[in-house]
Amino acid sequence: GENVEQHPSTLSVQEGDSAVIKCTYSDSASNYFPWYKQELGKGPQLIIDIRSNVGEKKDQRIAVTLNKTAKHFSLHITETQPEDSAVYFCPKPGGATNKLIFGTGTLLAVQP
Amino acid sequence: EPEVTQTPSHQVTQMGQEVILRCVPISNHLYFYWYRQILGQKVEFLVSFYNNEISEKSEIFDDQFSVERPDGSNFTLKIRSTKLEDSAMYFCASRIKTGFYEQYFGPGTRLTVT
Repeated sequence: GENVEQHPSTLSVQEGDSAVIKCTYSDSASNYFPWYKQELGKGPQLIIDIRSNVGEKKDQRIAVTLNKTAKHFSLHITETQPEDSAVYFCPKPGGATNKLIFGTGTLLAVQP
Repeated sequence: EPEVTQTPSHQVTQMGQEVILRCVPISNHLYFYWYRQILGQKVEFLVSFYNNEISEKSEIFDDQFSVERPDGSNFTLKIRSTKLEDSAMYFCASRIKTGFYEQYFGPGTRLTVT
């Protein structure tokens, strides 16, 4: 199947804390795992991604880890700031042109 | 940094009217997409376009919808006869080429059908 499950659906953290969002997939052939951030009224923004041949990737305060055995990948945000508040998605690329299949995402609220 | 742009940012139209939403993908990208997001709902795929033709479309993309790349830079979505339920944010996205999966989205056009 092509389902991706994302948890939690909502996450509230205090400014400066870390946030972790996890996505579980079922298709063993999956080889690309993106994370998108969508702020209110804006388009989804690609913030980090990882290929299946890499276990971890980091870009300043954000990182993505991939566990191929367990079929899950996680977004880690450290030292959260109010501007990190948004909905985060791990859409599944699929089909002949790798269209993105979005779920309902995780609403992250960073409390100042 | 290159980015996808969309115009207009907000379009209000009456039911039954035709609308054209415009997008300028990133200049060297070859794959183009339209998605929509009804308020409070998921982002949904509408159509993908490659090599001047539709590559894939969803069941939402019925005969009322069409896409076109009229020149080397613009990519348009036309809705022939709008319905109330077409009210949504419409996002254009582009991807560079085969083997590269990164998709970049525009800021969206908010379509309101009254």
